[in-house]
Amino acid sequence: GQQLNQSPQSMFIQEGEDVSMNCTSSSIFNTWLWYKQDPGEGPVLLIALYKAGELTSNGRLTAQFGITRKDSFLNISASIPSDVGIYFCAGFLSGGGADGLTFGKGTHLIIQP
Amino acid sequence: DGGITQSPKYLFRKEGQNVTLSCEQNLNHDAMYWYRQDPGQGLRLIYYSQIVNDFQKGDIAEGYSVSREKKESFPLTVTSAQKNPTAFYLCASSIGTGTYEQYFGPGTRLTVT
Repeated sequence: GQQLNQSPQSMFIQEGEDVSMNCTSSSIFNTWLWYKQDPGEGPVLLIALYKAGELTSNGRLTAQFGITRKDSFLNISASIPSDVGIYFCAGFLSGGGADGLTFGKGTHLIIQP
Repeated sequence: DGGITQSPKYLFRKEGQNVTLSCEQNLNHDAMYWYRQDPGQGLRLIYYSQIVNDFQKGDIAEGYSVSREKKESFPLTVTSAQKNPTAFYLCASSIGTGTYEQYFGPGTRLTVT
């Protein structure tokens, strides 16, 4: 299947800092989704993006669908302890049909005391 | 409450035994999916079903089987032919074809020894 390159792999930040992570691909995607997964739990959908250039917010989270349709970005402002977890990007390929999402390998967010 | 349930949360089996993982949803979603997650990896699609009595192989279907006899249920059987069955298994659902937002269950951790 297609690969999504997600970076950084891990982030060690202080509480209150802003966080940025991104996802890139060599293929064009027509939909980008961002999920958060807590240890031992299923991923929870945070934001869905459907149009190139689209910028969508969900509380302190903001995500953007890249103009080239080959990338997406997620920002978290003023991080708090409950933001700790693994953030996954996921996308549907253009014309790919309903055959499942392609996932990145995740960004581990760790907040240092 | 509407949602997706997976049972059991933890499952232990001896090598050579088949095991069936349960997935039920009461969201009235047409499409259902099974993913496998290994440490440090993104989610990989095993099987998906867009309607009752129909299902398609995903990227890693070998050693697995599914059925979709009811809209609400999509059980996954891990057969003895699966070489590395120990993993975290996630079930998801979406409204249907043409919609990309998938909602996940809490997962089942399968350990085979």
